[in-house]
Amino acid sequence: TQLLEQSPQFLSIQEGENLTVYCNSSSVFSSLQWYRQEPGEGPVLLVTVVTGGEVKKLKRLTFQFGDARKDSSLHITAAQPGDTGLYLCAGERNQGGKLIFGQGTELSVKP
Amino acid sequence: EPEVTQTPSHQVTQMGQEVILRCVPISNHLYFYWYRQILGQKVEFLVSFYNNEISEKSEIFDDQFSVERPDGSNFTLKIRSTKLEDSAMYFCASTASGGTDTQYFGPGTRLTVL
Repeated sequence: TQLLEQSPQFLSIQEGENLTVYCNSSSVFSSLQWYRQEPGEGPVLLVTVVTGGEVKKLKRLTFQFGDARKDSSLHITAAQPGDTGLYLCAGERNQGGKLIFGQGTELSVKP
Repeated sequence: EPEVTQTPSHQVTQMGQEVILRCVPISNHLYFYWYRQILGQKVEFLVSFYNNEISEKSEIFDDQFSVERPDGSNFTLKIRSTKLEDSAMYFCASTASGGTDTQYFGPGTRLTVL
């Protein structure tokens, strides 16, 4: 069974704090995608990482793919209330293949 | 910007009834997927479809489920005889080609089986 363990499951912080969300697996992924999902809506893509060791930045969000392509992290700097939401990581193992999702991280940023 | 669309947004049905969930993938995309998300649980893969045939399916995708691409634009998921446990959000996704292309998700159909 291919698993993608995402942690923490819940995170409540104050505005201005930094945070990191982790996705870990024993399996190697060809790519890993981070999504954000609002209640009652579909996942919206934030970023795709492909190369081991790759780092991508999206404003205050920094995404990293592990060297062995088994893990990834999402770091948010100076979190804002608008960052509140559900963050999902999802890994793809083969060409055109299914996405394996983590459990999600419910982030709450309080003003 | 092109997007995946799904209809209906909410479907309520009686147990044992057939439902068809519809998706219009992004127009130049070649790979299509259905996922589902039971309330409070993770998103789960159901089936992938490429070149007019199923390329992979999960254990959830049993004989009660089928997919079809009836024309050049629609991609449908049929559940023949719905069960209470089929209640979930169903998401369609598509990607341009294989490899590491991103999967783009539709807004979902909330299926409620009574």
